[in-house]
Amino acid sequence: GAVVSQHPSWVICKSGTSVKIECRSLDFQATTMFWYRQFPKQSLMLMATSNEGSKATYEQGVEKDKFLINHASLTLSTLTVTSAHPEDSSFYICSAKHRDRGRNGANVLTFGAGSRLTVL
Amino acid sequence: QKEVEQNSGPLSVPEGAIASLNCTYSDRVSQSFFWYRQYSGKSPELIMSIYSNGDKEDGRFTAQLNKASQYVSLLIRDSQPSDSATYLCAVPVTGNQFYFGTGTSLTVIP
Repeated sequence: GAVVSQHPSWVICKSGTSVKIECRSLDFQATTMFWYRQFPKQSLMLMATSNEGSKATYEQGVEKDKFLINHASLTLSTLTVTSAHPEDSSFYICSAKHRDRGRNGANVLTFGAGSRLTVL
Repeated sequence: QKEVEQNSGPLSVPEGAIASLNCTYSDRVSQSFFWYRQYSGKSPELIMSIYSNGDKEDGRFTAQLNKASQYVSLLIRDSQPSDSATYLCAVPVTGNQFYFGTGTSLTVIP
């Protein structure tokens, strides 16, 4: 089945530093990837839609200068949290859109394993 | 009205019972529907997809779709403690977006 690899799985950094998270589709091409943030015991919150070769589309309230998204190839999207602060500590999850390999061929999402960010 | 709504629960069932999870959606033109399972501290994983009205069975899981009533449900038969997780209903909409419900937390009691 479709596999999405996300790295790092966890990262601890000092306040003010930048952290880059990678999301790769391993066995398919993904023109569209999504980035989510999830706080403990809360729902997934969509941060942005990452489109290959074009600028990301950010959800309302998400600072695009703080959460930089780059989708330079059909298999890789990166999220960089710039000048991280303790309130940015969260579980960041990417997903990639692809065709369901079943008969229907509808679009479906496969998620990466997530990256847990702790900012000290 | 939210695009996808689920009862947040928590839902508790005894081991061996049937767990029933429900989801309603607002976009009448939606054609595909998905159930994801998310264990605590992990990312969501796809467990069921359904595209046609009626039932779709996969092992202990059955997805049910009723487009006229705009609801999709997930039944888990012979529930096991390992089924304890949050279950997310997802509906793709026009364009690139997928709408997720807030999830239903299920606990299976041994």
